[in-house]
Amino acid sequence: KAGVTQTPRYLIKTRGQQVTLSCSPISGHRSVSWYQQTPGQGLQFLFEYFSETQRNKGNFPGRFSGRQFSNSRSEMNVSTLELGDSALYLCASSLAGRSYEQYFGPGTRLTVT
Amino acid sequence: QQQVKQSPQSLIVQKGGISIINCAYENTAFDYFPWYQQFPGKGPALLIAIRPDVSEKKEGRFTISFNKSAKQFSLHIMDSQPGDSATYFCAARDAGGYQKVTFGIGTKLQVIP
Repeated sequence: KAGVTQTPRYLIKTRGQQVTLSCSPISGHRSVSWYQQTPGQGLQFLFEYFSETQRNKGNFPGRFSGRQFSNSRSEMNVSTLELGDSALYLCASSLAGRSYEQYFGPGTRLTVT
Repeated sequence: QQQVKQSPQSLIVQKGGISIINCAYENTAFDYFPWYQQFPGKGPALLIAIRPDVSEKKEGRFTISFNKSAKQFSLHIMDSQPGDSATYFCAARDAGGYQKVTFGIGTKLQVIP
């Protein structure tokens, strides 16, 4: 089985711009979660989608949004980028009922200048 | 507010020694406690998981110890090797709602020869 894929792997954007990141989960996995990883902050939970519905949401501003498509692929969007949004954005997928067993993609490294 | 407190944030161990990472939680609704391992440039990968009705679980050189009454759990890496150098995250899954997983802040382990 192919693993979780994320595109693009690296991205450089300017303050004020918006960005869209993409995640393709493992085949059969209907749950997709997004995390922001920064040094010293660990894995900060952004949101989780299951069957195209957002089920859980972390404490991030409304500039961070996401969606999931009928094929379970997911996108996250960050509008009006700030310097502090520079981070590694990780996507993880899991089977229904097994959210403790998440399979992570390699991440998208976003740099905001 | 950190729901899962992890310590230490960094750890240096000599080859052959025992690496110990500790986590504590408050939410008694947590029902699964996984540990993830992350190498540089990669997403985290599930290492081992334990339920609160089990006091210890071993997988090779990795052992999780669980103390339900103290609401603490720990990861022990026996005979630590340089290849174990990575960041380790403890996590906990909420049994209620949509079974959200909360991660600790992470421990950067360096095993020196």
